[in-house]
Amino acid sequence: DTAVSQTPKYLVTQMGNDKSIKCEQNLGHDTMYWYKQDSKKFLKIMFSYNNKELIINETVPNRFSPKSPDKAHLNLHINSLELGDSAVYFCASSRSTTPYEQYFGPGTRLTVT
Amino acid sequence: KQEVTQIPAALSVPEGENLVLNCSFTDSAIYNLQWFRQDPGKGLTSLLLIQSSQREQTSGRLNASLDKSSGRSTLYIAASQPGDSATYLCAVGPFTGANSKLTFGKGITLSVRP
Repeated sequence: DTAVSQTPKYLVTQMGNDKSIKCEQNLGHDTMYWYKQDSKKFLKIMFSYNNKELIINETVPNRFSPKSPDKAHLNLHINSLELGDSAVYFCASSRSTTPYEQYFGPGTRLTVT
Repeated sequence: KQEVTQIPAALSVPEGENLVLNCSFTDSAIYNLQWFRQDPGKGLTSLLLIQSSQREQTSGRLNASLDKSSGRSTLYIAASQPGDSATYLCAVGPFTGANSKLTFGKGITLSVRP
């Protein structure tokens, strides 16, 4: 039983396209996150939602738009993809906004050509 | 601004060796510190979580310590095995409210040679 799942696992697309990544958690957590891991393996937070409300929005281009239809889901939509968007995107969840233990999904490797 | 440093970036040891992975952070006002493991092409797995009021946590062959005053944490791995080969990341959680977010180090890639 997967705790945090992401789809798709791999995504290859061309510059200028729009794509979405989906995330679901079955842990009953109320906080979810999107992280980006770049080619140098540096992991950095992008967004955080608590009970469907955006609470963290780092300096991310507005081409990236998260959406949380309910507590268990947090999707990431990316418009007008650029080469620099190529990275691994991780979804995570925790039971509170306080930095409790975070559980990560398997990641989505996005390659923009 | 919190900064988390993990040195060295890579480490290779023979099987059976006890080893210590280091993590340092610049702001001692932390809520907790987590150690994660990341296997190639995989997500992160939480290994140990130490609250700011704690000095150490243990799980099996792993022991993590925290010294807030000096801004350091160590992950001790006893009797290392080839299966321990992975990247180990530490992350600190700040002592704030709704805007809390983990700050990650860049990780230490460990290779345990049979």
